[in-house]
Amino acid sequence: AQTVTQSQPEMSVQEAETVTLSCTYDTSENNYYLFWYKQPPSRQMILVIRQEAYKQQNATENRFSVNFQKAAKSFSLKISDSQLGDTAMYFCASAIYNQGGKLIFGQGTELSVKP
Amino acid sequence: GAVVSQHPSRVICKSGTSVKIECRSLDFQATTMFWYRQFPKQSLMLMATSNEGSKATYEQGVEKDKFLINHASLTLSTLTVTSAHPEDSSFYICSARYEEGARQPQHFGDGTRLSIL
Repeated sequence: AQTVTQSQPEMSVQEAETVTLSCTYDTSENNYYLFWYKQPPSRQMILVIRQEAYKQQNATENRFSVNFQKAAKSFSLKISDSQLGDTAMYFCASAIYNQGGKLIFGQGTELSVKP
Repeated sequence: GAVVSQHPSRVICKSGTSVKIECRSLDFQATTMFWYRQFPKQSLMLMATSNEGSKATYEQGVEKDKFLINHASLTLSTLTVTSAHPEDSSFYICSARYEEGARQPQHFGDGTRLSIL
């Protein structure tokens, strides 16, 4: 079975600081994709970053980067220069290639950026 | 690009009423749409996967007769909660993908908050 685990229910960070959100997953498949989604108080799900499992290079999107450790099945998200607008619920998710791309979400981490 | 519109954003209705929620991809054709349910402070739970022109695939434990899904065109999927009861109150979110396969990300609607009195 495919599972995604986020072990940090809540985190906080000072504005302009760096924070890392943890995510581990479990799958027996080789071809899969990993995502981080952000859900602000408005409740809309916003794609933050995406990683293809066959790529060794860690994905980056401006202030957001991932540390993808395939052997350890770990996929953490680093937010640099945190901004007040980063305050949101963050969900890690995986999608298996031969399962129609269904997203399996972790439990979420509620991030608060403090001024 | 890749905008998904979900309507209505909020519904309050009496027990026993059927409620229809629409999910539209505005600027792309969605081969696959997904419906999720989210309880407060919890993660998204996939309810069903819908492909245009075919029957939806429901996740285990989701009642097909309670949650009717129709994907009549490449830009529209609907979720109908039939004979809704208070326990059906929740936040329902749809997503759409414009290409087959896991590589393409899902683009989400803004969600519908359903409250059954």
